[in-house]
Amino acid sequence: EDQVTQSPEALRLQEGESSSLNCSYTVSGLRGLFWYRQDPGKGPEFLFTLYSAGEEKEKERLKATLTKKESFLHITAPKPEDSATYLCAVQALNDYKLSFGAGTTVTVRA
Amino acid sequence: DADVTQTPRNRITKTGKRIMLECSQTKGHDRMYWYRQDPGLGLRLIYYSFDVKDINKGEISDGYSVSRQAQAKFSLSLESAIPNQTALYFCATAGGSKTQYFGPGTRLLVL
Repeated sequence: EDQVTQSPEALRLQEGESSSLNCSYTVSGLRGLFWYRQDPGKGPEFLFTLYSAGEEKEKERLKATLTKKESFLHITAPKPEDSATYLCAVQALNDYKLSFGAGTTVTVRA
Repeated sequence: DADVTQTPRNRITKTGKRIMLECSQTKGHDRMYWYRQDPGLGLRLIYYSFDVKDINKGEISDGYSVSRQAQAKFSLSLESAIPNQTALYFCATAGGSKTQYFGPGTRLLVL
């Protein structure tokens, strides 16, 4: 069974204080690892897909990296508008389902 | 206009009532999904459909049923609602890239 564990559960940052979120996973052959952002009362918003170890993707202040066992979402010099819950999910080969972690809630104070 | 819409956005119902949540998409995707989200548990898959004639159970399908009326429409029904079905419900769609795009969600409260 695919498993996804995200840590920490919550992260409080000062504006400009860079940090990283962790997503550890076990899957029987990885098709892709997905990162989503979710604001309160809204649906998850797609950020990145990573397919193989060593791959990196960036979007504004966010950078996602992937190894064979985990993924990191680095937030560089965060701003208050980066406050959200960040969700990680994996998709196995020969499967069309996503298995989600419980998320990391990030709060950035001005 | 939103690519994935869900109705209603909020719903309060009583135990034992039958309710339907609806999802429509304009992305032209074949695959559609229903998830529920509970605090601390993340998103869990209820049902998914690859096309109008292909519907599959997810990890928590008991107490739910679905209908794929057209490529663009996928409905979720609670046959007899119970309080532990109180949750946020999300519809998602996916095309050839397999990336899933989510709707805004329905907040359901079962009294």
